[in-house]
Amino acid sequence: DTGVSQDPRHKITKRGQNVTFRCDPISEHNRLYWYRQTLGQGPEFLTYFQNEAQLEKSRLLSDRFSAERPKGSFSTLEIQRTEQGDSAMYLCASSSGRQARDYEQYFGPGTRLTVT
Amino acid sequence: ELKVEQNPLFLSMQEGKNYTIYCNYSTTSDRLYWYRQDPGKSLESLFVLLSNGAVKQEGRLMASLDTKARLSTLHITAAVHDLSATYFCAVDKTSGSRLTFGEGTQLTVNP
Repeated sequence: DTGVSQDPRHKITKRGQNVTFRCDPISEHNRLYWYRQTLGQGPEFLTYFQNEAQLEKSRLLSDRFSAERPKGSFSTLEIQRTEQGDSAMYLCASSSGRQARDYEQYFGPGTRLTVT
Repeated sequence: ELKVEQNPLFLSMQEGKNYTIYCNYSTTSDRLYWYRQDPGKSLESLFVLLSNGAVKQEGRLMASLDTKARLSTLHITAAVHDLSATYFCAVDKTSGSRLTFGEGTQLTVNP
């Protein structure tokens, strides 16, 4: 078990460009979550999946953000027409979701996005 | 809307001292999570508290949960420098749903 992995770890992009991040959850974890964290704040929920179904999306998430988990394994988060306010750490987490104890979320190393 | 509040937000303490971080939340939940985050790093799970009265201990850290008061505490005993980090509590309204995090407590342990 190698833990949750995310790629890339760092991304610098110019305002207006599109970016895509990838998350690979812990093997056989059926729930996958995306959060965003800005400096000095706690993580803020974006969206989550159970298998390939997107169960919830934050109201704060603009239409420029989209996430997929096409085969119920890895997930991608795309941001279109990036803005400077999108600069943040994007965190992915997974949980097995089979019993109460298994809803513990394990976090990946994050992707740090800088929009210039 | 679920709200989670931590206090203090900043804590500077000397090695060897004891202190408690408090986490209050606004809605009924039987599950509370504590995470640690080092600068520039991701979140490391510390404790999962799944019922009223739950108490977990790991080394110099002990966490407890009072669901009736909607309060969790993280107690630090005889602090050491290695405990310097930011500590977050988080709550989910239903099992496996989104986590709502507190603002975090930035702990600095001075020699």
